[in-house]
Formats: sequence, C-alpha cells, structure tokens
Amino acid sequence: QSALTQPPSASGSPGQSVTISCTGTSSDVGAYNYVSWYQQHPGKAPKLMIYEVSERPSGVPDRFSGSKSGNTASLTVSGLQAEDEADYYCCSYAGSKKVVFGGGTKLTVL
Amino acid sequence: EVQLVESGGGLVQLGGSLRLFCAASGFTFSSYEMNWVRQAPGKGLEWVSYISGSGSNIDYADSVKGRFTISRDNAKNSLYLQMNSLRAEDTAVYYCVRDMGRGWALDIWGQGTMVTVSS
Repeated sequence: QSALTQPPSASGSPGQSVTISCTGTSSDVGAYNYVSWYQQHPGKAPKLMIYEVSERPSGVPDRFSGSKSGNTASLTVSGLQAEDEADYYCCSYAGSKKVVFGGGTKLTVL
Repeated sequence: EVQLVESGGGLVQLGGSLRLFCAASGFTFSSYEMNWVRQAPGKGLEWVSYISGSGSNIDYADSVKGRFTISRDNAKNSLYLQMNSLRAEDTAVYYCVRDMGRGWALDIWGQGTMVTVSS
C-alpha cells in the first residue's frame, strides 16, 4: 500500500488556475475510476471536493474539477481564491476494500 | 444534521491499549460503510480500517493489521476502533469517516480524536 505521489507544494495568484497531480499505479489510480480529492484547512477535518475522478458533491464550486489519464489523476482549481489555500489530498480505491491516499499538496494563493 | 463525533483518544503508554468511539447521527447508520483514517502530526492522511454496513466485511491497513479491531453497533449508531500493542508511530488524529456509497469516496468526517503514544 504505497502512498500516491503528489507534489508537496503548488501555488498561483488570485484568478489563476492551478493543477495538482496525483500519480499511482496500474493497481490503484490506473485500475479504477475511483479517485477522490479532499481539501483540508489547518486544524480542520478534510472535506470531499471530487469523487469518481471528476464528480463534484453538492455545494462544491465548479471552479474545482478533476480528470485522469492512465495512472495519473489531476485536480484543477480555476479562478483561484484566497479561501482555496489549503492542503489537498488525492485518494484512490486500491482493491480489496482498501483505499490509498497521496502525500498531500500544500496550495498557496500568492 | 449529518454528524460524526469521535471520542476516546488520549495519552497511552507504549504497548498499551485504547478504544475509540464514533457516534453517528442524522443518517441511517446501518446503510453506510465506515472507515477510520488517521493523520500523524504534520503528516498526511492514512487509511486505517474499513467495515461494511452489516459489519460482515472488514479490512485493515498492513500497518495496523493484527493490532487494531474495527467494529460497529448499528442499534447504537456507533463505530469503534480497538487499538492494542500501540506504537509511537500510531500517534495521530483519528477520524471516523463515512463512505458515501459512490466510488469509495469519503463524504462525512468527524472532527477527529487525538491519540498520543508515549514511552
């Protein structure tokens, strides 16, 4: 159960777009369209932002979008806002009732 | 309001035991698969354990298998995590998390309970 690989940091100015990658293997990200993304502000519990690669739960702004190609999934935040500054974690189903998380990416809004 | 509230965390000695509790409200608890996810101080998220709605299917991360036991009482809308033979690396905030039933996504998180394993 190796963690998915995310860049430790990403940044962008207000109004810009930023994309965070999440690389797994053919046993997790590449095998299932079950990638989800979570936003976590300091001292808070994570919040589901994207599920099933590109679906948004009710209440999540459409500025957040997800995609996948092969073993790599991506989260794009468009029209960056100050409140988007947070840690972001990807997660994939890995078979046998298990899920695996990425190491997390700290998004800074400049 | 859909809510998960954890309790039971605290300071425990190396090799000791602790039982975590999670009280669910605002939804039909027995209809949902549940998980425990932990986060060591300053670190990322780590999935710990899964249990099906009926409790008949269970799984664990390799790091806790044989030491932790997940269970649930649907009559009491409660989820549990029995942690034995605790190690320093088990120090973390433990979150009780609901599986939304779509794509293994985790849609409702508790506020977390801190477990500190001390030598």
